[in-house]
Amino acid sequence: QLQLHESGPGLVKPSQTLSLTCNVSGGSITSSSYYWGWIRQPPGKGLQWIGSIYYSGITYYNPSLESRVTISVDTAKNQFSLKLSSVTAADTAVYFCARDLILTAPAAFDYWGQGTLVTVSS
Amino acid sequence: QSVLTQPPSASGTPGQRVTVSCSGSRSNIGTNTVHWYQQLPGTAPKLLIYINSQRPSGVPDRFSGSKSGTSASLAISGLQSEDEADYYCAAWDDSLNGVVFGGGTKLTVL
Repeated sequence: QLQLHESGPGLVKPSQTLSLTCNVSGGSITSSSYYWGWIRQPPGKGLQWIGSIYYSGITYYNPSLESRVTISVDTAKNQFSLKLSSVTAADTAVYFCARDLILTAPAAFDYWGQGTLVTVSS
Repeated sequence: QSVLTQPPSASGTPGQRVTVSCSGSRSNIGTNTVHWYQQLPGTAPKLLIYINSQRPSGVPDRFSGSKSGTSASLAISGLQSEDEADYYCAAWDDSLNGVVFGGGTKLTVL
């Protein structure tokens, strides 16, 4: 059974860079059929897609966040990572990683991590 | 303001059939497939319906999806208390070149 698990600091200071990692177990991140994505959810609000990556390193990002986002992949560790720079309180959210079915069903994410809350505060 | 529009709330009694709507435009629902997610309180979203009307393995057939033009609907028949959750629609948007979600509908089972 595929499992995803997010990890990283739960508190980030304003103007700094948020860094999270998603560890994938029970399956290979190098599968040719899938991308791997990040989605976030501010407290009490809806879902926002951040971006996704293929195991080869091909990425696509939400245009509204693209100038601050970097998603990378480490196939040796079977994990992928998110960096969001110049954070503000508006970036406070639960961050989820998920498997992205873009190649067959764009906008469908079939396996999700449990999510990790990141608070931006001094 | 979300690109896809959903009613903020819906409700029904046990056994009833309820529907949740999702309205978009030609660049998203009008051109691409729609997916639905169920998010139980305090948990990650779960893919409930994909490609307009397909159910992933393990999703009861009480849940069904449909799409017409630039709108989509999620229907839940035989409503159960455990269906109380937030429901989100999602689609690819060709103009924005990215994934867009609806604002979510909170379903209450009375």
